[in-house]
Amino acid sequence: QKEVEQDPGPLSVPEGAIVSLNCTYSNSAFQYFMWYRQYSRKGPELLMYTYSSGNKEDGRFTAQVDKSSKYISLFIRDSQPSDSATYLCAAGYPGANNLFFGTGTRLTVIP
Amino acid sequence: GAGVSQSPSNKVTEKGKDVELRCDPISGHTALYWYRQSLGQGLEFLIYFQGNSAPDKSGLPSDRFSAERTGGSVSTLTIQRTQQEDSAVYLCASSLFSLASDTQYFGPGTRLTVL
Repeated sequence: QKEVEQDPGPLSVPEGAIVSLNCTYSNSAFQYFMWYRQYSRKGPELLMYTYSSGNKEDGRFTAQVDKSSKYISLFIRDSQPSDSATYLCAAGYPGANNLFFGTGTRLTVIP
Repeated sequence: GAGVSQSPSNKVTEKGKDVELRCDPISGHTALYWYRQSLGQGLEFLIYFQGNSAPDKSGLPSDRFSAERTGGSVSTLTIQRTQQEDSAVYLCASSLFSLASDTQYFGPGTRLTVL
């Protein structure tokens, strides 16, 4: 079993829709949670960073972490065609030398 | 400023050959990571360098894989006697200090195809 599980999709939504992307994890030691966005033929770029449980909002993006259920979510409001990319969730814990990534969800926003 | 750069962007090789992949991290970043991204597998950690400390090689899948970082800057990932299952995108990332507090910045990757 992977440490971080993510539905690979693909997911297609119309422009303007609310998108919900989700991951689950198994290691209760995880304290840091990230969402990366990866465009085709590019490296991942950090989108959201959350420490421990709670919500974090940045513009149209909201990240949620529920440590009791080991669930990580990313919501995208008013989705745009430019949001079409692969979204990767990741988690880490203090002292670890690497992040643990989900497999990524490929999102397409249709104009 | 310049981001993380990797070369070559694409590499096609024959099974059994050795390949070298290069990573130039962001200037001043002390931490450097190599990951492998295979279709449907997500990012798999390979190796981590932090300053002059001994690298964390715990993610290297076999002894055919090795990496070095010269002068605390440029890193080279070497794969000996390549196999078809080595075909993947190899991503390099760097961060200013430690993972916990700093963002990892990724390069564009090297797409390796082993025929």
